[in-house]
Amino acid sequence: DIVMTQTPLSLSVTPGQPASISCKSSQSLLHSDGKTYLYWYLQKPGQSPQLLIYEVSNRFSGVPDRFSGSGSGTDFTLKISRVEAEDVGVYYCMQSIQLPFTFGPGTKVDIK
Amino acid sequence: QVQLVQSGAEVKKPGSSVKVSCKASGGTFSSYAISWVRQAPGQGLEWMGGIIPIFGTANYAQKFQGRVTITTDESTSTAYMELSSLRSEDTAVYYCARLVVGAFLPWGQGTLVTVSS
Repeated sequence: DIVMTQTPLSLSVTPGQPASISCKSSQSLLHSDGKTYLYWYLQKPGQSPQLLIYEVSNRFSGVPDRFSGSGSGTDFTLKISRVEAEDVGVYYCMQSIQLPFTFGPGTKVDIK
Repeated sequence: QVQLVQSGAEVKKPGSSVKVSCKASGGTFSSYAISWVRQAPGQGLEWMGGIIPIFGTANYAQKFQGRVTITTDESTSTAYMELSSLRSEDTAVYYCARLVVGAFLPWGQGTLVTVSS
């Protein structure tokens, strides 16, 4: 199974300040089709997870442009340029290049 | 826009089974895989397995092999996840989600299954 790790596991951020979450996979997520199957989800308190970023760096429809994803191969980063109160929750990276699909342990983001 | 609506919360005894449903509306059901993901209290997300309705063959995480069965009913656009031999560690919120080009989108609202004697 592909193991996904995230750092840090928790983050307390002042509104308006940036935040960054790292995600690493135990194997490359680059497929022979040229796509990299790395996704970011945000689970707000009491809600189902919601898709933020697909294929490393593509913002899903309606996701604010303060969110950005980058990386390649096995190392990936989610950045929030200016954290807002509505960004609190747990952020998960996930790989879907290989079964079983696996998630990182999650990074809990709260506001100072 | 596809929506996934799951069945309600369940309380089960250890050793019994639970069957959770996930009804799709507003889009094509058969062509996209449906996965089940669970989340134990205060824990992360764990993929259990998935199925492509048009093919009907399910794949399961090894951890759940032999205890989980995922099926679909195309006539009602509904997917089901049945988990047997329940134990207290199976207490969790169970989500269904559609797999679209590698991403889970959308997710159901979740179904809390509590296993308690």
